[in-house]
Amino acid sequence: NAGVTQTPKFQVLKTGQSMTLQCAQDMNHEYMSWYRQDPGMGLRLIHYSVGAGITDQGEVPNGYNVSRSTTEDFPLRLLSAAPSQTSVYFCASSDPLAGEQFFGPGTRLTVL
Amino acid sequence: AQSVTQLDSQVPVFEEAPVELRCNYSSSVSVYLFWYVQYPNQGLQLLLKYLSGSTLVKGINGFEAEFNKSQTSFHLRKPSVHISDTAEYFCAVTTYNNNDMRFGAGTRLTVKP
Repeated sequence: NAGVTQTPKFQVLKTGQSMTLQCAQDMNHEYMSWYRQDPGMGLRLIHYSVGAGITDQGEVPNGYNVSRSTTEDFPLRLLSAAPSQTSVYFCASSDPLAGEQFFGPGTRLTVL
Repeated sequence: AQSVTQLDSQVPVFEEAPVELRCNYSSSVSVYLFWYVQYPNQGLQLLLKYLSGSTLVKGINGFEAEFNKSQTSFHLRKPSVHISDTAEYFCAVTTYNNNDMRFGAGTRLTVKP
């Protein structure tokens, strides 16, 4: 049982490049989320999904896209990277009745 | 939407001293409350959670928190801290059957010898 896995661990992009952050979970959770963590701001919700084929925006969705074709996977796409997207990105999954979210190890992204 | 305020951005304490990390929340409906810990360069680990029932919640590593509905607070306490407790602590709130979890800005706990 690997829990929530994220790849890559580190990534450096140039402004304007695109990329996809991968997230997978093996706990059969319907709910999955993407957060970004910036110093002094805690974690802010980017996008979330309540099940395969269903996604919605969180607090800070601009510049990011998501899709959910399977229960296990929830990739986050940066369409045209900007320096303001330099951050640590965490994926999480949860059982809504339990409330608790399980977090992946994070991806540290730097946009030059 | 619900929100969380962590009242201290940094808390320095000496080893074996007690510590309290303060958290206040705002919500128009009943809430679920959580404390997570993040060690350097790692992900978030759940310390404890309040869903319902007893307002005093015990978690891992000797931490506990008390849910106070009248004061809309969920402060985290430990009677005697260790060097290994040095980390960043996040308070979080969500509501029943809701994936929208909101986090506080975090409190950096530094335990000094």
